[in-house]
Amino acid sequence: GDSVTQMEGPVTLSEEAFLTINCTYTATGYPSLFWYVQYPGEGLQLLLKATKADDKGSNKGFEATYRKETTSFHLEKGSVQVSDSAVYFCALSGGGADGLTFGKGTHLIIQP
Amino acid sequence: EADIYQTPRYLVIGTGKKITLECSQTMGHDKMYWYQQDPGMELHLIHYSYGVNSTEKGDLSSESTVSRIRTEHFPLTLESARPSHTSQYLCASSTSGRFNEQFFGPGTRLTVL
Repeated sequence: GDSVTQMEGPVTLSEEAFLTINCTYTATGYPSLFWYVQYPGEGLQLLLKATKADDKGSNKGFEATYRKETTSFHLEKGSVQVSDSAVYFCALSGGGADGLTFGKGTHLIIQP
Repeated sequence: EADIYQTPRYLVIGTGKKITLECSQTMGHDKMYWYQQDPGMELHLIHYSYGVNSTEKGDLSSESTVSRIRTEHFPLTLESARPSHTSQYLCASSTSGRFNEQFFGPGTRLTVL
């Protein structure tokens, strides 16, 4: 079945550092890929998405490129801020009846 | 404004009580979902629905039940709460398209004493 593997946290960075959170997936066919963010005490918010190979999703300075050859969708940001501290989830939609398959989440901590 | 709502946001109850967690969406979505989120942040799908009068069990076995009498409403019920039910519960909805993203409510933090 479909699966998503993302790097385990917590990931701790200093403000203005470069961020990469790795995400790889296993799926049959051509899934859509997503990154969600969860701030403390809140639900998940869609951060960005990509629906086909080589698509780049971007939002709020974050980017991720759908790489079919490496089955990856790594999240990047050039300069993180304290306000980016949150839990980030990589997910895929393979078109199955029960919707999205999520990774286990990566807790990101940005220190001033 | 189209949105998805959950009430209550926080609930502390004693063992053996019956509780219902409410979820409503005004986006006109057919599909709705309930997730249980453990302290390690991992999400577990416990119930989902394709539309009115449709309910299915998810990947994680749960003692809770759900109903879908109206498109916009997808409540989750625990007949007899136990401390093992203490968790964060997240409701989500999506359109019927095969690859569409889900939209999440703010969650209900349940504590059973």
